[in-house]
Amino acid sequence: RKEVEQDPGPFNVPEGATVAFNCTYSNSASQSFFWYRQDCRKEPKLLMSVYSSGNEDGRFTAQLNRASQYISLLIRDSKLSDSATYLCVVSPSGNTPLVFGKGTRLSVIA
Amino acid sequence: DTEVTQTPKHLVMGMTNKKSLKCEQHMGHRAMYWYKQKAKKPPELMFVYSYEKLSINESVPSRFSPECPNSSLLNLHLHALQPEDSALYLCASSLGLAGYTGELFFGEGSRLTVL
Repeated sequence: RKEVEQDPGPFNVPEGATVAFNCTYSNSASQSFFWYRQDCRKEPKLLMSVYSSGNEDGRFTAQLNRASQYISLLIRDSKLSDSATYLCVVSPSGNTPLVFGKGTRLSVIA
Repeated sequence: DTEVTQTPKHLVMGMTNKKSLKCEQHMGHRAMYWYKQKAKKPPELMFVYSYEKLSINESVPSRFSPECPNSSLLNLHLHALQPEDSALYLCASSLGLAGYTGELFFGEGSRLTVL
């Protein structure tokens, strides 16, 4: 089983749609969880951290389910500018490197 | 604009050439990283420097040689590369080891083509 698994997509959605991405991780001892965003031919950038209580930043909501080893990202009211690859990232521990999922591609269509 | 600066942005080299990629950050970060990224793949960790010492080498072939001259600079020396080494090479930095905060600051990358 891969350490971090994501549906690669692509997800093609119309503007204004709500879209959800899921991610599972294999190491039950993993400590921290994040979503990164990578635009085409650009560098990855941290989008948001994911907390057990769930957290929201504008149109973006991230949730963590430790029992199921599952992370999600919900984007409401999709904009054209949301088109990118969304990378699920897991930290096994403070002193070990981050583990990147393969990413989920999102295309928001006018 | 990213606060991690990488040069050159593009590099084409032959298999017998020797070249270097450079990375600089002035955020006071003490951990610096080299990643390799192929098209439609996630970044793949190559090396981690922590407090200017190499702490992780992910079994990278010796034709890639990292160097950390000081806390702000990170180099990747390239020699006798193969065409399959063509990729985007991303430098990143973090305040401490990124496992704690998850926040890696990436440069825009150096796009390498090996002929």
